[in-house]
Amino acid sequence: AQSVTQLGSHVSVSEGALVLLRCNYSSSVPPYLFWYVQYPNQGLQLLLKYTTGATLVKGINGFEAEFKKSETSFHLTKPSAHMSDAAEYFCAVSDGTSGSRLTFGEGTQLTVNP
Amino acid sequence: NAGVTQTPKFQVLKTGQSMTLQCAQDMNHNSMYWYRQDPGMGLRLIYYSASEGTTDKGEVPNGYNVSRLNKREFSLRLESAAPSQTSVYFCASTPGLAGSYNEQFFGPGTRLTVL
Repeated sequence: AQSVTQLGSHVSVSEGALVLLRCNYSSSVPPYLFWYVQYPNQGLQLLLKYTTGATLVKGINGFEAEFKKSETSFHLTKPSAHMSDAAEYFCAVSDGTSGSRLTFGEGTQLTVNP
Repeated sequence: NAGVTQTPKFQVLKTGQSMTLQCAQDMNHNSMYWYRQDPGMGLRLIYYSASEGTTDKGEVPNGYNVSRLNKREFSLRLESAAPSQTSVYFCASTPGLAGSYNEQFFGPGTRLTVL
């Protein structure tokens, strides 16, 4: 069974500050890990994903995440927040089998203050 | 390509009414999913279809039925709507091929209110 825990349902940062959104996972097999972003009244879109290989993955809009197997973590970061980053962010895990399900975390609402 | 489309965008039902949410994808994906999103609970899987002709229950299937009409379309039916089914419903699809990474592509959602 897989599970995802996102620490902090709400995170608030100032424009230009570091963004750090935390995600820990549990998986019985090597996981595939994803971060999705949801802007108000829209569907989810993929920010980045970890499948195999390099543990530091870069995504769209300047976001990146590092897969740390020893810590079972996949935290999302961005060096400098922009007002347009305000959205809800979801971490998800898959076991990689054909047609397999994604298990989502509960989401983190990011607020960016001017 | 339109990607994943959902109809309707909004719907208001009375308790006990029935309705079908429609979903279609034009990416030739094998697998399709229905989720509901409620505040503070993330996305919860209702039903999914790993391939055409198959459907399986997800985490919260009670009160729902699905039909994988063909490879493109996957509908969700509420037979007798209840206020607890007030939610935002998302459809998603993924290639679903062996060795693929199962990135899911999402539709814009249907906002359903049951009075």
